[in-house]
Amino acid sequence: NAGVMQNPRHLVRRRGQEARLRCSPMKGHSHVYWYRQLPEEGLKFMVYLQKENIIDESGMPKERFSAEFPKEGPSILRIQQVVRGDSAAYFCASSPQTDFYGYTFGSGTRLTVV
Amino acid sequence: GENVEQHPSTLSVQEGDSAVIKCTYSDSASNYFPWYKQELGKRPQLIIDIRSNVGEKKDQRIAVTLNKTAKHFSLHITETQPEDSAVYFCAANGLTGGGNKLTFGTGTQLKVEL
Repeated sequence: NAGVMQNPRHLVRRRGQEARLRCSPMKGHSHVYWYRQLPEEGLKFMVYLQKENIIDESGMPKERFSAEFPKEGPSILRIQQVVRGDSAAYFCASSPQTDFYGYTFGSGTRLTVV
Repeated sequence: GENVEQHPSTLSVQEGDSAVIKCTYSDSASNYFPWYKQELGKRPQLIIDIRSNVGEKKDQRIAVTLNKTAKHFSLHITETQPEDSAVYFCAANGLTGGGNKLTFGTGTQLKVEL
C-alpha cells in the first residue's frame, strides 16, 4: 500500500500564476481532506471531499481556491492567481468510508510564491 | 463548528522526565480524539487516539486521557527521549460529514533536552 500520494512535493509559482496540487488517497479510502499549514502554525481545515462530491468546504477561501475529486483520478486543489500569502504546506489526508480511525496524511506539497 | 484549544504552545523537559499536553474541545457531540506527531519538514503522523467510550488508553510510553464532562483530553509521554522532540497536535471530530472531519489544536513544540 503506497499510502497517500501527493505531488509535486515542492512547487514554485510566480504571483498571478495557477497552482495545481494533486492527491491520490490510500487504496480503499474514499474520503479526502485538504489542510493548509502556514510556517510554524497549525493545520487549518480547507475542504472535505468524496468522489464527485464536496462534503464540507467551510475552510476554503471564497475566491481563487477550488477543489475536486473526480470519479477517476486524484483529488486536485487549485489555486488561481496565487499571491505571496498562499505560500504554505498543503497536506492531503484520506480515510475509509467506514470505521473512521483518523487520517493518513500525505507528505504534503510545499508551495512557494515568488 | 468544533473549536480545539491546546496548551502549552512550547514545552521543554529533561530527558527521562514526563511531558503532558492538554486540549479542550467545544462540541459535546465529538467522539474521536487523535494525537499527531509532526517532525520538522515531515507529515503529521497518528501516534495514539481515544474514543469517547473510554477514559484512558495507553501504548508503551504514551497515554491519553479523556474527560467528557469537562470536554478535555491530555497526552502523557513518560521517560521522554530526544527523539520525542517534535510538534504534537491534538484533534477532535465533529458532526460535519458524519463525524469524519477533524479540527486540530494549534500544536505544542516539545523539546527534550539531554
